[in-house]
Amino acid sequence: QKEVEQDPGPLSVPEGAIVSLNCTYSNSAFQYFMWYRQYSRKGPELLMYTYSSGNKEDGRFTAQVDKSSKYISLFIRDSQPSDSATYLCAMKWNNAGNMLTFGGGTRLMVKP
Amino acid sequence: KAGVTQTPRYLIKTRGQQVTLSCSPISGHRSVSWYQQTPGQGLQFLFEYFSETQRNKGNFPGRFSGRQFSNSRSEMNVSTLELGDSALYLCASSPRGGAGEKLFFGSGTQLSVL
Repeated sequence: QKEVEQDPGPLSVPEGAIVSLNCTYSNSAFQYFMWYRQYSRKGPELLMYTYSSGNKEDGRFTAQVDKSSKYISLFIRDSQPSDSATYLCAMKWNNAGNMLTFGGGTRLMVKP
Repeated sequence: KAGVTQTPRYLIKTRGQQVTLSCSPISGHRSVSWYQQTPGQGLQFLFEYFSETQRNKGNFPGRFSGRQFSNSRSEMNVSTLELGDSALYLCASSPRGGAGEKLFFGSGTQLSVL
């Protein structure tokens, strides 16, 4: 079993829908949680960065972390075709430098 | 501000050869990390360098090595290439690799081993 599990999708939604992406993890030492977006043939782009449990909102994006359940989520409101990409969750423990553990990624397709 | 720059963009090698990939971090960033991305295993951490010293290392064989120069630029080397080394190799940088810092990725080098 991988340390970080993520449904690979693909997830197909109509434009304007609310998208929910999720990851579960097994290592309770993880303290920092990130969501990256990756377009084809590009490097991952950081979308959200949160520390410990709680919610964080940035524009159309909301990240939630529930450490008691070892579960993190990313919500995308008013989804656009330009949001079509692979979404990767990542996490690290304290004093890990930049050693991130990634989920396998969820491919999202937003149809006009 | 320029982003993380990786060269070359694409590379084709044959089994048994060695390869060197290059990464220039964002100006002012001193922590450089390398990741391997494959369809089967996803994104996996290779190693991290800070101030020319390897700070963290992932679970990869010794054929994978790296180094960092005094200007923070980094190279990674893979010796005795295997077919399974075909992957997108991503470089990422941050100011110091500190706990709350954000990690920025380059576009990667796509390596194909024939």
